Amino acid sequence: GAVVSQHPSWVICKSGTSVKIECRSLDFQATTMFWYRQFPKQSLMLMATSNEGSKATYEQGVEKDKFLINHASLTLSTLTVTSAHPEDSSFYICSARKLAGGTDTQYFGPGTRLTVL
Amino acid sequence: DAKTTQPTSMDCAEGRAANLPCNHSTISGNEYVYWYRQIHSQGPQYIIHGLKNNETNEMASLIITEDRKSSTLILPHATLRDTAVYYCIVRTDNYGQNFVFGPGTRLSVLP
Repeated sequence: GAVVSQHPSWVICKSGTSVKIECRSLDFQATTMFWYRQFPKQSLMLMATSNEGSKATYEQGVEKDKFLINHASLTLSTLTVTSAHPEDSSFYICSARKLAGGTDTQYFGPGTRLTVL
Repeated sequence: DAKTTQPTSMDCAEGRAANLPCNHSTISGNEYVYWYRQIHSQGPQYIIHGLKNNETNEMASLIITEDRKSSTLILPHATLRDTAVYYCIVRTDNYGQNFVFGPGTRLSVLP
């Protein structure tokens, strides 16, 4: 398998502040990482695709100026929620793409639970 | 939109085999079938994937019908820790294509 970590695992912040979430592939290099959001009792929704060394590609309806993504190395991508509001409270999950055996698989991090007061 | 349909929920007795079905009638020739599961408040965990041949690993077996329009994930001896939401996903192997998650099947393993 492959290991992906996220930090922090949970965070509580005040409305209007910014929060940075880190996603790391620990034992493999990932040129592509993905960021998802999951609201209670719902499935994962893709927010953006993060490619190392280039700008992220955002899904329709996701504000790129609010959710800043940086993928500066082959093992690290960060998601910054800027000027967070209570409606941004959610479970944020990243995944990293690993190529093996001729196919690719995404391995997911444990998630970060964000609560905005 | 997800390209798969799965039952909303299933129960399984502990120690018995859990058979989770998935329909993907519009699957195309270059699309793989992937299975992930998500235990409450955790990130999804990769289980297995295949193209057309049956696959087995230490976690599960994947049985794909000959016409590839459906598949079954088999957990041979379910334990309480297998209680989770199981997602069946089809996608091509094109570089960069993401995974589209449907609602999945909520499997409850009962003692």
